[in-house]
Amino acid sequence: QQQVRQSPQSLTVWEGETAILNCSYEDSTFDYFPWYWQFPRESPALLIAIRPVSNKKEDGRFTIFFNKREKKLSLHITDSQPGDSATYFCAANTGGLSGKLTFGEGTQVTVIS
Amino acid sequence: NSKVIQTPRYLVKGQGQKAKMRCIPEKGHPVVFWYQQNKNNEFKFLINFQNQEVLQQIDMTEKRFSAECPSNSPCSLEIQSSEAGDSALYLCASSLQGTNERLFFGHGTKLSVL
Repeated sequence: QQQVRQSPQSLTVWEGETAILNCSYEDSTFDYFPWYWQFPRESPALLIAIRPVSNKKEDGRFTIFFNKREKKLSLHITDSQPGDSATYFCAANTGGLSGKLTFGEGTQVTVIS
Repeated sequence: NSKVIQTPRYLVKGQGQKAKMRCIPEKGHPVVFWYQQNKNNEFKFLINFQNQEVLQQIDMTEKRFSAECPSNSPCSLEIQSSEAGDSALYLCASSLQGTNERLFFGHGTKLSVL
């Protein structure tokens, strides 16, 4: 049972465009939603995260929009740059020290200049 | 640059052989995780520790998989009898306070079971 789902599987955008990555989840007890990005042959790294008390989190060109009622969130990358080309993973956790963090399948983003 | 150190970077084993990989978490991080990332980029949680104690593990790890995080020694993940389906990237991550904080990942050990 895949508790965190992402779409699309892959996405290609032109430099300067906005890339929109979607994520949905099943478990209503999830209360922390980080996005990790992973470059080829590199380890995943935290990009940005949100908690359900907010419906929006912004960090530079990256913004998370969160809809608790629909159990959906999205990551918007504005003014996309070639250096943003990576695989983006949405993740979710129920919190607490013993939480295991559940990852989605990832969206591979390619930015063409 | 990752401060979580995993060794070896690559590991090649035959079916039935034992495979062991190690992880040194970032200094001061008491919580350590092991994930398996397959060729489709899917993450599978295996086990996590706080200091030397197991917090949570999946059923799979109770059979062929074993892991430990002894004090003053690297953490380790061992597969007793490797199977072809175990071929994957094994990622170790550490954090200060569990998964509601940033996880710092190592570069992983890529296991190939021939």
